[in-house]
Amino acid sequence: AQTVTQSQPEMSVQEAETVTLSCTYDTSESDYYLFWYKQPPSRQMILVIRQEAYKQQNATENRFSVNFQKAAKSFSLKISDSQLGDAAMYFCAYRSGRGSEKLVFGKGTKLTVNP
Amino acid sequence: DSGVTQTPKHLITATGQRVTLRCSPRSGDLSVYWYQQSLDQGLQFLIQYYNGEERAKGNILERFSAQQFPDLHSELNLSSLELGDSALYFCASSSGLAEQYFGPGTRLTVT
Repeated sequence: AQTVTQSQPEMSVQEAETVTLSCTYDTSESDYYLFWYKQPPSRQMILVIRQEAYKQQNATENRFSVNFQKAAKSFSLKISDSQLGDAAMYFCAYRSGRGSEKLVFGKGTKLTVNP
Repeated sequence: DSGVTQTPKHLITATGQRVTLRCSPRSGDLSVYWYQQSLDQGLQFLIQYYNGEERAKGNILERFSAQQFPDLHSELNLSSLELGDSALYFCASSSGLAEQYFGPGTRLTVT
C-alpha cells in the first residue's frame, strides 16, 4: 500500500519570505500523481498544485512550485513571497495512475505566516 | 468555490442515531468520492461512485453506506452512530482527470 509522510508537523515563515514543505511517499508504481492541498481555517480543501510522475519538469502555479525527485520519492512544495493568506494546513497526497483513484494523504503540515 | 456542494454544514446528533450527508458534484463530473477527516486517523478515503455505480471502497465501516443517484448527487448514510464517528466528512468530485475537487465538508458531532 502507498504511504505519504510529511515529517514537519508545523512550519513558520515571515511574510514575503520563502518556505519549503517536505513530503515523501512510498510506492512500487511508476505511474502516479502527486498533489498539494491547502486547508485554511475554513476547513475547505483547496487544490494547490499537481504533478504527474511521468513528467520530469516540476510543476509551478504562480508563487507555488514543487521539487519532484522521483528516484528519492520526494515531493516538496515551495511557497515564494509568502502571504498571510497562505497560513493553513498543507496536505501532500498521492493517487495511483492506474486502478484506484483514491487519494492517500499525509498527516499535514501547519504553516504559520508571521507579519 | 470548487463547485461541489455539501449539506448540511454542521450536524449534531446523539449516539445510536442515523444521519444522511448529501453531496452534489461539479457540473459534468461523474465520479464522487467520500473522505473522513478526524484527529485520530487524518484524511481517509471511504468510498467512490462513478455514474451511479460503486467503484472503490476504502476504510468504510459496515454501519456506513452510500449511493449515487441518476442526477449524480450522492448521499452518505451513517447509522448506529458512535462518539468516534465525530469528524469532518468531505465529498469530492472528478471529471475523470486526476484532480479531485472538494466540497466544504459536513462537520458531524456525535454526543
